Amino acid sequence: RKEVEQDPGPFNVPEGATVAFNCTYSNSASQSFFWYRQDCRKEPKLLMSVYSSGNEDGRFTAQLNRASQYISLLIRDSKLSDSATYLCVVTHNAGNMLTFGGGTRLMVKP
Amino acid sequence: EPEVTQTPSHQVTQMGQEVILRCVPISNHLYFYWYRQILGQKVEFLVSFYNNEISEKSEIFDDQFSVERPDGSNFTLKIRSTKLEDSAMYFCASSERLAGYSYEQYFGPGTRLTVT
Repeated sequence: RKEVEQDPGPFNVPEGATVAFNCTYSNSASQSFFWYRQDCRKEPKLLMSVYSSGNEDGRFTAQLNRASQYISLLIRDSKLSDSATYLCVVTHNAGNMLTFGGGTRLMVKP
Repeated sequence: EPEVTQTPSHQVTQMGQEVILRCVPISNHLYFYWYRQILGQKVEFLVSFYNNEISEKSEIFDDQFSVERPDGSNFTLKIRSTKLEDSAMYFCASSERLAGYSYEQYFGPGTRLTVT
């Protein structure tokens, strides 16, 4: 079983749409959770950390369900510039190693 | 804005050759990492480095890999005898603190290694 699982997509949505991505993780000892964004052939960049109470950053909302080992990302009012691959990332302890999911590709069309 | 830099951007080498990938982390960061991403696959952790020693490494990071911080600014990844399956994008990252405390790891632009 993969440690961090994501639907690879692609999700094709029109501008202005709301889109949600899900992620599940297998290690119940996972401690920290993040969403990264990766543009084609570029480095991953942190989009937001995910907190137990859920958190919002502008058009982006992240939720964590520890009991179900499930993380979500909601993007409202999609922009063309949101087109990218969204990576679900966890750490297993207070350590260094980021464990990445395979990513979900989003394509926002005019 | 400070950033992680990596050189070269693309390295082509023959199987069996040694390569050194170079990184300059953000200057006040204490933790350094290498990750790799084979084309079309997920990003995979290789190694983390703190206080001049390896703090964590993955199964991928076997005896053919080594890391070094030869001076106050550079952080290098050496692959002693490259194999075809080492072809990938190699990302260097650095952070001020441990990721487990929600400190961001900043990634460099990557070095694309092609082994022929």
